[in-house]
Amino acid sequence: GAGVSQSPSNKVTEKGKDVELRCDPISGHTALYWYRQSLGQGLEFLIYFQGNSAPDKSGLPSDRFSAERTGGSVSTLTIQRTQQEDSAVYLCASSRDGGAGGYNEQFFGPGTRLTVL
Amino acid sequence: AQSVAQPEDQVNVAEGNPLTVKCTYSVSGNPYLFWYVQYPNRGLQFLLKYITGDNLVKGSYGFEAEFNKSQTSFHLKKPSALVSDSALYFCAVRDIWGGADGLTFGKGTHLIIQP
Repeated sequence: GAGVSQSPSNKVTEKGKDVELRCDPISGHTALYWYRQSLGQGLEFLIYFQGNSAPDKSGLPSDRFSAERTGGSVSTLTIQRTQQEDSAVYLCASSRDGGAGGYNEQFFGPGTRLTVL
Repeated sequence: AQSVAQPEDQVNVAEGNPLTVKCTYSVSGNPYLFWYVQYPNRGLQFLLKYITGDNLVKGSYGFEAEFNKSQTSFHLKKPSALVSDSALYFCAVRDIWGGADGLTFGKGTHLIIQP
């Protein structure tokens, strides 16, 4: 079946601009995660959605970062007033159910490579 | 807080030899442990996980890992390496009893299998 899809695959933007990154999780997966992968910081957890519950935003690096998940499916990660240190690959993942300690494996999308000039 | 250490940036193994990629973890409670692999220009792929039960878990592509609670380790192993196993490997942990809901990943280990 279809995996997690992300768009765009690449995004180049100028410092100070806003960007939106999209994630389509696997159908039926109720849990959705955003991560950031960069050379300096490795893989960092950003935010987690489980069904209609309030998201866990504990990993968001600043208030310039926000995310939505509409209808329990598609998610958008928004970065406002981008900075050069925001340059990274942004990965989305989904799993069947993130609850009860999160024992289900996460399936990752191919990522969006963001470059801030 | 939860953390993962992968002490080796790179592991080199000759094809046909056994391989080990090391991982140690730190959690407040009990861990869920995962291994993922990343091939160039591709997303992360799940290999295997430890949740509970038998300490030796088997996963995709002939990989296995052993959970050792006393040593807080979860090393990835394969009896006979293939050139196609060359990739970037990540160990990840989730603390059952708290912490962030996302996985905490190690820095990754580049595995290079030489023909």
